Amino acid sequence: SQQGEEDPQALSIQEGENATMNCSYKTSINNLQWYRQNSGRGLVHLILIRSNEREKHSGRLRVTLDTSKKSSSLLITASRAADTASYFCATVPSFSGGYNKLIFGAGTRLAVHP
Amino acid sequence: DGGITQSPKYLFRKEGQNVTLSCEQNLNHDAMYWYRQDPGQGLRLIYYSQIVNDFQKGDIAEGYSVSREKKESFPLTVTSAQKNPTAFYLCASRGLRGLAGSDTQYFGPGTRLTVL
Repeated sequence: SQQGEEDPQALSIQEGENATMNCSYKTSINNLQWYRQNSGRGLVHLILIRSNEREKHSGRLRVTLDTSKKSSSLLITASRAADTASYFCATVPSFSGGYNKLIFGAGTRLAVHP
Repeated sequence: DGGITQSPKYLFRKEGQNVTLSCEQNLNHDAMYWYRQDPGQGLRLIYYSQIVNDFQKGDIAEGYSVSREKKESFPLTVTSAQKNPTAFYLCASRGLRGLAGSDTQYFGPGTRLTVL
């Protein structure tokens, strides 16, 4: 079952602009993670935010989490052509115990044009 | 892609044949996972393993089988019972709880399986 739903499904911007992607989920969570996937490649972990955190930064990335709305957003500032990829949110539900089962959304396809 | 390798990168199979996808990690991780990705979609969990000689079904285990005889290896067999096996298969691993980064899964480069 897919818990996370990303919005928008696709995003096209110019270099230098900011890109914002949103994720909604259904159940209570331990943490929420964002991953990046270049076409035909494996996923790369970007950032993890725990359920008791509201905002986290890593370089040009900013992630927010609103557990009352069951939603998260990923902001990429000053985007570059190399940021072109698909971005997935994944949640670890509270009931997953120690197995850390990730539930992925369908992803946002980001295209950054030079 | 870290210390996780998957082979082969591309795999072609005739209908009715079983095929085994390899996943090896040198990260000393205890937990390993297999996911399936279809075009334009997210990942769905097939099987996962917390320790050697133990594994659990994920959300879409039908038509698949796994083994975990060694900590560093978690091969996935796609059997002829899998109705629609053409997909991109991703393996991941995770370290022990309590260590830095233990909630993070590290992914291999994937194997693209095509049934002819």
